[in-house]
Amino acid sequence: DAGITQSPRYKITETGRQVTLMCHQTWSHSYMFWYRQDLGHGLRLIYYSAAADITDKGEVPDGYVVSRSKTENFPLTLESATRSQTSVYFCASSEPGQGPEQYFGPGTRLTVT
Amino acid sequence: LAKTTQPISMDSYEGQEVNITCSHNNIATNDYITWYQQFPSQGPRFIIQGYKTKVTNEVASLFIPADRKSSTLSLPRVSLSDTAVYYCLVGDMWNSGGYQKVTFGIGTKLQVIP
Repeated sequence: DAGITQSPRYKITETGRQVTLMCHQTWSHSYMFWYRQDLGHGLRLIYYSAAADITDKGEVPDGYVVSRSKTENFPLTLESATRSQTSVYFCASSEPGQGPEQYFGPGTRLTVT
Repeated sequence: LAKTTQPISMDSYEGQEVNITCSHNNIATNDYITWYQQFPSQGPRFIIQGYKTKVTNEVASLFIPADRKSSTLSLPRVSLSDTAVYYCLVGDMWNSGGYQKVTFGIGTKLQVIP
């Protein structure tokens, strides 16, 4: 089915480990986004991408790395996970000219111990 | 980015109309007002967008006064399934053809009571 998927849905990792969260969309949207959601902070933008090989920082990019070699994929990597990165991560996609909506994935709940 | 203020939480009984107001005093001329809904354990979902006056769709109505310094999301006859967090966003995401950041904020947690 068409849509936006995230994997894994749940992840527990240890401090200092590298972890990659995957995001895949089937709409060929040019824009993709990564957000984190924490109690008391709402949704905060980490990184976004306007197209393959074009990425830009959001509000809270420190400690995260993104890449976009293909339009449909936008992985988010925590190179050395910290407890403060325990959060729910949402990926979204959107297309200029097709309306204002961002389409969100189901989220990945990440716990860093 | 225009700053928005909305209530942190609201309770409503089933069958009632719910109005959630968002203040955005420094809204810019090009900015739109957009509302998203987020159910527990899901990503946010677009509900409605407007620029001025009133917009209505199958889910909600959006009322925007002439000065555009506030807006009200109206949910008719809510049911238990409308329990969610509602976010008010102000901005023009595709201004000038490129992405302009919009901020989700904390949102309003609506609890519908039987």
